[in-house]
Amino acid sequence: LAKTTQPISMDSYEGQEVNITCSHNNIATNDYITWYQQFPSQGPRFIIQGYKTKVTNEVASLFIPADRKSSTLSLPRVSLSDTAVYYCLVAPEYSSASKIIFGSGTRLSIRP
Amino acid sequence: DAGVIQSPRHEVTEMGQEVTLRCKPISGHDYLFWYRQTMMRGLELLIYFNNNVPIDDSGMPEDRFSAKMPNASFSTLKIQPSEPRDSAVYFCASSLGTGGWYTEAFFGQGTRLTVV
Repeated sequence: LAKTTQPISMDSYEGQEVNITCSHNNIATNDYITWYQQFPSQGPRFIIQGYKTKVTNEVASLFIPADRKSSTLSLPRVSLSDTAVYYCLVAPEYSSASKIIFGSGTRLSIRP
Repeated sequence: DAGVIQSPRHEVTEMGQEVTLRCKPISGHDYLFWYRQTMMRGLELLIYFNNNVPIDDSGMPEDRFSAKMPNASFSTLKIQPSEPRDSAVYFCASSLGTGGWYTEAFFGQGTRLTVV
């Protein structure tokens, strides 16, 4: 299974665009990339999922280069409420859930 | 739908006591997951069910832990006897089976367990 590496923490300010990069150098051909967000005292929440190129939804964008060895979660114009831990997951679409590993995540702090 | 509902939200118990955590998944979801989260180990999958059948319990730490899903709308995670090292936040999540492993898993608010 592809191991992921993310920055432990990031800081930014309200109104800025935040990009969180995840490295997954040994990603397999049938692996998908998924990002979750977790607020304090809450369970993780699905943000976005992609396989290649770019995926965009109402919350974020996910950029995946052609070699797929990394991915970048982009949060446009963040607010204080975006302060959370962000997890990058990589696994085959039909993998057993027991193979899905939530790493340490990236602790994002947004300041006024 | 109210989302995944867990109870209780907080539980404080003495070492050696039995603890039962409860979960009501989102109606129509056929996958149910139990996770445990601690500062040291992060978020760990304990067990998951598909259509009420346990599929993989390899994450269950010891025989002291057991989980059941008697029907599609209810699951329990039991710890007997409890130990201080079981103190953690326990999350239940559910998802639809379409799209593979879990394209989008919906998590409950969690149960914060403290064993003293």
